[in-house]
Amino acid sequence: ILNVEQSPQSLHVQEGDSTNFTCSFPSSNFYALHWYRWETAKSPEALFVMTLNGDEKKKGRISATLNTKEGYSYLYIKGSQPEDSATYLCAFKGYGNKLVFGAGTILRVKS
Amino acid sequence: DAGVTQSPTHLIKTRGQQVTLRCSPKSGHDTVSWYQQALGQGPQFIFQYYEEEERQRGNFPDRFSGHQFPNYSSELNVNALLLGDSALYLCASSTRGHEKLFFGSGTQLSVL
Repeated sequence: ILNVEQSPQSLHVQEGDSTNFTCSFPSSNFYALHWYRWETAKSPEALFVMTLNGDEKKKGRISATLNTKEGYSYLYIKGSQPEDSATYLCAFKGYGNKLVFGAGTILRVKS
Repeated sequence: DAGVTQSPTHLIKTRGQQVTLRCSPKSGHDTVSWYQQALGQGPQFIFQYYEEEERQRGNFPDRFSGHQFPNYSSELNVNALLLGDSALYLCASSTRGHEKLFFGSGTQLSVL
């Protein structure tokens, strides 16, 4: 059974703080790692799809890194804003396999 | 351009009943995947449809079945509903060969 772990489970930060979350996944048979942002009452929205070891992607104040050899990815948010409040989901895909989601990290940014 | 649309938004059923959930993919997408999200968990993969055939399946019993139509829309059917089937059901569409998923807002199913 594939295990995708996300930490922390939840995070409360002040506006302007920078923060980061971790996604741990199997280090073998890697194909892709996804990050999604899910705001309350909305649909999950794709942030990044990463496929290469060492890859770094950036979208505005949000960036992500990938280490497939050790099986982890970090998501960073610089200068958190209240609108960043959401659940952040990562998902791992091995070759020929289905996408397996972690349970998510809930971020609350207080103004 | 409409994104992924799901219907109904909410549904209440009783144990033993059957339910059908519907999904229209984003324009230009040909692949539809269904996920079940129970409280406190990440979305769990149910199955994926492409070219009107089930291509991959997660660890769900045969009570869960689906269909994809020629216009790429899809249905998820659940027979003999159990209390444990209460969850948010998400549909996601994509283009074959492209990884990024586009999700609908989900159908909240409550089984009483």
